[in-house]
Amino acid sequence: KNEVEQSPQNLTAQEGEFITINCSYSVGISALHWLQQHPGGGIVSLFMLSSGKKKHGRLIATINIQEKHSSLHITASHPRDSAVYICSPPGGATNKLIFGTGTLLAVQP
Amino acid sequence: DADVTQTPRNRITKTGKRIMLECSQTKGHDRMYWYRQDPGLGLRLIYYSFDVKDINKGEISDGYSVSRQAQAKFSLSLESAIPNQTALYFCATSGLRTGGGELFFGEGSRLTVL
Repeated sequence: KNEVEQSPQNLTAQEGEFITINCSYSVGISALHWLQQHPGGGIVSLFMLSSGKKKHGRLIATINIQEKHSSLHITASHPRDSAVYICSPPGGATNKLIFGTGTLLAVQP
Repeated sequence: DADVTQTPRNRITKTGKRIMLECSQTKGHDRMYWYRQDPGLGLRLIYYSFDVKDINKGEISDGYSVSRQAQAKFSLSLESAIPNQTALYFCATSGLRTGGGELFFGEGSRLTVL
């Protein structure tokens, strides 16, 4: 069983739609990261959260520690949101970073 | 200056050559990581370092070595490059003791081994 599972793997949405990307993990956690990677681009950290919910503009991240589940929501999606979104919980006792394989999001105008 | 700088950004080399990818950071973070990214496989950990004297192998360390020359510098070497090491390589830093766990990535080094 993979330590991190993301769903869906691919997502196509129309501009303006509400988008949800899910992340389930089996390892221990101190903080989980949501990352964004644009095509051909670098990787940036969107959120780091260890409880509850965080909001940044149109992006909202939530986490349920007991259920080992996190979601990333995008409200009023826009074509510039098209990217790969990756979740990363710390990798167990060693606290090394591990990553989901990512969700490829395409927002069409 | 970028928080995490990788050099070179692009490199084409031949099988058997020695290659070094360098990473430097200005965040003062204690933890540094090297990952490779291949299409469909996501980011896979090569090596990580929690301190200058603490270096650990990741899941795919064979064929690679690293050096943590200082808190701010972490280099990845391919002693004898082979074509299946063609990939996009990322350096990342994280400050658990310093920085509250923030995570920063370099812009990536695209390596092609012919």
